Amino acid sequence: QVQLVQSGAEVKQPESSVKVSCKASGGTFNNYAISWVRQAPGQGLEWMGGIIPIAGTIHYAQKFQDRVTLTTDESTSTAYMELSSLRSEDTAVYFCARGEYFFGLDSYYNVGPITNWGQGTLVTVSS
Amino acid sequence: QLVLAQSPSASASLGASVKLTCTLTSGHSTYVIAWHQQQPGKGPRYLMKFNSDGSHSKGDGIPDRFSGSISGAERHLIISSLQSDDEADYYCQTWDTGIVIFGGGTKLTVL
Repeated sequence: QVQLVQSGAEVKQPESSVKVSCKASGGTFNNYAISWVRQAPGQGLEWMGGIIPIAGTIHYAQKFQDRVTLTTDESTSTAYMELSSLRSEDTAVYFCARGEYFFGLDSYYNVGPITNWGQGTLVTVSS
Repeated sequence: QLVLAQSPSASASLGASVKLTCTLTSGHSTYVIAWHQQQPGKGPRYLMKFNSDGSHSKGDGIPDRFSGSISGAERHLIISSLQSDDEADYYCQTWDTGIVIFGGGTKLTVL
């Protein structure tokens, strides 16, 4: 049974950084793409970026390109998302999600459909 | 530009059927999509992947009450025999080189 367990809620000061972890169990860690998706209060789902560990490929949404870093630790089957220069608008629930990948027109592996979700991590940015 | 359009809200009666629609922008009508359900206060749950030929693959434990259909650029999620816990937000998702897109979501109310 696939399970993604995320780290606990965080409260951060503006301009600081936050790092959220996501530990995967069930299935081979490298055989999937890991995406990070956030949901601001009362809003919809917003994709931040994705990483395909087996290929070492990372894609970031343009909106977060300059502030987000995605990494993985294959030895512990854990993915990480670090968001820097936090502002109040970054207050949201952050989800990790696992899914399929495909070989794209850019000649790299790309993130495809999401098939499993983590439980979410609430990040509150407040002074 | 790749965009998914969803109606903000829908409603149907307990025990009835409802069809939710996700529309791909012009030029992207053959794209594959996935459907996700988010019940109030919970994280999303993957329902199914829906191909442009009408075939689909469901997530673990998703009942037969959930199915899909296709009409041109429209992808439909059909929920039959509505139950109270089907009341949720439903999101469609698609993907392309370097990007993943979600629709704005449809809030389904079960009357």
